[in-house]
Amino acid sequence: AQKITQTQPGMFVQEKEAVTLDCTYDTSDPSYGLFWYKQPSSGEMIFLIYQGSYDQQNATEGRYSLNFQKARKSANLVISASQLGDSAMYFCAMRGGSGAGSYQLTFGKGTKLSVIP
Amino acid sequence: DAGVIQSPRHEVTEMGQEVTLRCKPISGHNSLFWYRQTMMRGLELLIYFNNNVPIDDSGMPEDRFSAKMPNASFSTLKIQPSEPRDSAVYFCASSLFRGQLNTGELFFGEGSRLTVL
Repeated sequence: AQKITQTQPGMFVQEKEAVTLDCTYDTSDPSYGLFWYKQPSSGEMIFLIYQGSYDQQNATEGRYSLNFQKARKSANLVISASQLGDSAMYFCAMRGGSGAGSYQLTFGKGTKLSVIP
Repeated sequence: DAGVIQSPRHEVTEMGQEVTLRCKPISGHNSLFWYRQTMMRGLELLIYFNNNVPIDDSGMPEDRFSAKMPNASFSTLKIQPSEPRDSAVYFCASSLFRGQLNTGELFFGEGSRLTVL
């Protein structure tokens, strides 16, 4: 079974500073994908970044980067130069590698990020 | 481009009534997912379809819940009879499943907020 753990229910960061949101995962699949989503107060789920288990380099998308440490089974999201609009819930998710389990995403409980002006 | 379209956005109903939530996935996507989000349980996968066929409905909480996907462009989630504990935000998401190394992210609709009185 796959499991995603986000240990930080809430985080605060000063505007323009960088922040790291933690995510650890557990899976027995050799091939898997890791995702981060943002959910602002308006409720929609916004895809941010993806990391494949076989990717050699850490994924980056603009101000978002994923610190992927495979041996530690961690996939932390780093947001650089935080903006007020980054205040939201952030979810880490995983997709397994093969068979029927490769379709779905399993989500963590989320981390609420608050950016302070 | 049109995203995942869900209706209704908000539904308030009384216990015992039938509720039908609707979803139109992104054209060309072959996988469709129904998730439920509550404060207590986070994001839970209820059911997902691939090529209109239900792959895993183990997340459907009870027989009161049913989901159909009669064609590639439409899906429904029905609750009959509804109960107050069904109150939640129900998300529909779609994805393009590409096989074993599946990197396609899920695209979420805006959600249907259900309140059962």
